[in-house]
Amino acid sequence: SQTIHQWPATLVQPVGSPLSLECTVEGTSNPNLYWYRQAAGRGLQLLFYSVGIGQISSEVPQNLSASRPQDRQFILSSKKLLLSDSGFYLCAWSSLGTNYNEQFFGPGTRLTVL
Amino acid sequence: RKEVEQDPGPFNVPEGATVAFNCTYSNSASQSFFWYRQDCRKEPKLLMSVYSSGNEDGRFTAQLNRASQYISLLIRDSKLSDSATYLCVVNYYLSGGGGTASKLTFGTGTRLQVTL
Repeated sequence: SQTIHQWPATLVQPVGSPLSLECTVEGTSNPNLYWYRQAAGRGLQLLFYSVGIGQISSEVPQNLSASRPQDRQFILSSKKLLLSDSGFYLCAWSSLGTNYNEQFFGPGTRLTVL
Repeated sequence: RKEVEQDPGPFNVPEGATVAFNCTYSNSASQSFFWYRQDCRKEPKLLMSVYSSGNEDGRFTAQLNRASQYISLLIRDSKLSDSATYLCVVNYYLSGGGGTASKLTFGTGTRLQVTL
């Protein structure tokens, strides 16, 4: 069965510091991978998606970047965090060919920027 | 106008009650539809896909009206464990970066609290 891991689970960082969040998927090959952010009291917002190694598409302009160095690894980064980067960051995977392309989420990283 | 709109609630219902959630979406190109459940401070989990003909999974029934761009979720015989936020989600395909991915657009969710 497929599993998706994210770490760290929680993170408190000062404004201006760098960020690296990691997501890995097990039990599947060539997944589509996604990064979302959920700000307090708001819906999930798609940040990036990737259909393959080294292939990243950005949905919204922002202070963040993403990379996919391996098939089942997706990394979210920032060089300098802003207060507005605080939120719940969720990684998800999907596989074209599954029914209706459901996405499955990792446990998330709760980021607080102070 | 939001792409996916839901009544935020909260819906406070007694155990055993029937509760219905509604959702509307604005993008007529949307191709598939889901309900996710999100517990407090946890990740969303897929509850059920919504098929054009409507579908049922135990106590849960989902309906889709493409003409009205409307989705519903009915929960019968509510349990305490049903307390959560229910997210209405629509999907269409994105093409970019050399392939095709699915874009899920989430509503902000409807909070359900089931009480004794």
